[in-house]
Amino acid sequence: GNSVTQMEGPVTLSEEAFLTINCTYTATGYPSLFWYVQYPGEGLQLLLKATKADDKGSNKGFEATYRKETTSFHLEKGSVQVSDSAVYFCALSAGGGATNKLIFGTGTLLAVQP
Amino acid sequence: DTGVSQDPRHKITKRGQNVTFRCDPISEHNRLYWYRQTLGQGPEFLTYFQNEAQLEKSRLLSDRFSAERPKGSFSTLEIQRTEQGDSAMYLCASSPGRGFQETQYFGPGTRLLVL
Repeated sequence: GNSVTQMEGPVTLSEEAFLTINCTYTATGYPSLFWYVQYPGEGLQLLLKATKADDKGSNKGFEATYRKETTSFHLEKGSVQVSDSAVYFCALSAGGGATNKLIFGTGTLLAVQP
Repeated sequence: DTGVSQDPRHKITKRGQNVTFRCDPISEHNRLYWYRQTLGQGPEFLTYFQNEAQLEKSRLLSDRFSAERPKGSFSTLEIQRTEQGDSAMYLCASSPGRGFQETQYFGPGTRLLVL
């Protein structure tokens, strides 16, 4: 079945450090891939998405490239800020006429220290 | 556009009681989803509506759970005879319904604690 695996946290970084959060997926068909972020006390927010192979999603300095050959969608940011501290979820939406339900990874807690 | 809203935001109940949660999707969004998120885990899909029709239910949705979306607008999720294992965050999301694999917009969630 479809699934998402992402690196376990917590990830602790100093401000301005480079961030990578790994995400790999298993899916039939041609899924869309998403990164959602959950700030403390808030709901899930879409961070970025990619709908086909080699697409790059980007937002707020974050980037992720849809790699079909490695079934990966790793999240990167060149210089993190304290305000980026949150839980990050990788997710996929399966294609082929399915209900478009999202399948999430377990989340990665990012803590950025000043 | 006021976003997806959910009510209540928090609910504490005793085991065996019934609870009902409400979700108001973004205006004119045809698709509505319910998810459940337990501590330290990602959200898990529960059920999906296209307008008023409930088109898919997860195995997670036992017979004690029922969801409705009358008139294709707001939705309710009811849990009967609650159990401690039902304690979780219940999330609602909506999407426009104009294509596949659309972005889903999430509400703030209802946190349920069953004592």
